[in-house]
Amino acid sequence: DAGVIQSPRHEVTEMGQEVTLRCKPISGHDYLFWYRQTMMRGLELLIYFNNNVPIDDSGMPEDRFSAKMPNASFSTLKIQPSEPRDSAVYFCASSFIPSGANVLTFGAGSRLTVL
Amino acid sequence: GQQLNQSPQSMFIQEGEDVSMNCTSSSIFNTWLWYKQDPGEGPVLLIALYKAGELTSNGRLTAQFGITRKDSFLNISASIPSDVGIYFCAGQMDYGQNFVFGPGTRLSVLP
Repeated sequence: DAGVIQSPRHEVTEMGQEVTLRCKPISGHDYLFWYRQTMMRGLELLIYFNNNVPIDDSGMPEDRFSAKMPNASFSTLKIQPSEPRDSAVYFCASSFIPSGANVLTFGAGSRLTVL
Repeated sequence: GQQLNQSPQSMFIQEGEDVSMNCTSSSIFNTWLWYKQDPGEGPVLLIALYKAGELTSNGRLTAQFGITRKDSFLNISASIPSDVGIYFCAGQMDYGQNFVFGPGTRLSVLP
C-alpha cells in the first residue's frame, strides 16, 4: 500500500486566498483524521470522520475552515479566506479498527505558509 | 479537554546511552501509541499498547502501558545517531474516539 497520500506537500499563498489540502487514506481504513501541527500548540485534532461521516469537528478553529469526505478514498480540508496564523503543517491520518488493534497512520503532511 | 504531558521536554545524550521518557494523563486510556517524527515528515508509529501492564518491544525500543492506565513509558537502549527526532505519545480513551497527542520529547544524540 502507498500509505496515506497528501497533497500538496508545500503551499505558499497570500492572505485572503483559498487553500485546499487533499488526502487519500489507506484503502480499507474507515477513520480519517485531520491534525494541525505548530511549534506553539503541537499536534491538534481538527476533525475526524468515520465511514465518510464527520464525527467530531470541535477542533476546527472557525468558520473559515471546512472539511469534506465525499467518498472513502478522498478528503479535503479547505481554508477560506486564509490568514497568516493558519501557517502550519497539516497532517491527515487514517485508521482501521479490526479486533484488538487500533493505530493511526500519518501522511507526510502539507506545509502551509500564508504571507 | 484531555491533555497528555511528556517528559522530558528535550534531552541530549551520548551515543550508546539508554534513554527513558514518559507520558502521563489525567484520564484513563485504553490505547497508547508511541511515534517518532523526523524533520519534514509525518509521525511514524513505533509501538502500540492495548492492555494495562503490557510491555512491548520493537528492536531497541521498549514501551510499557502503565497499570493505572494513565501513563506510558518508552525506553531506547544503546542509542544511535538515527534515533534523533521528536517522540510523541498518543492516547485513546475508547475505540473510535480521537487520539490525543503529547507535546513531544526532542531527542538529540551526540557522537
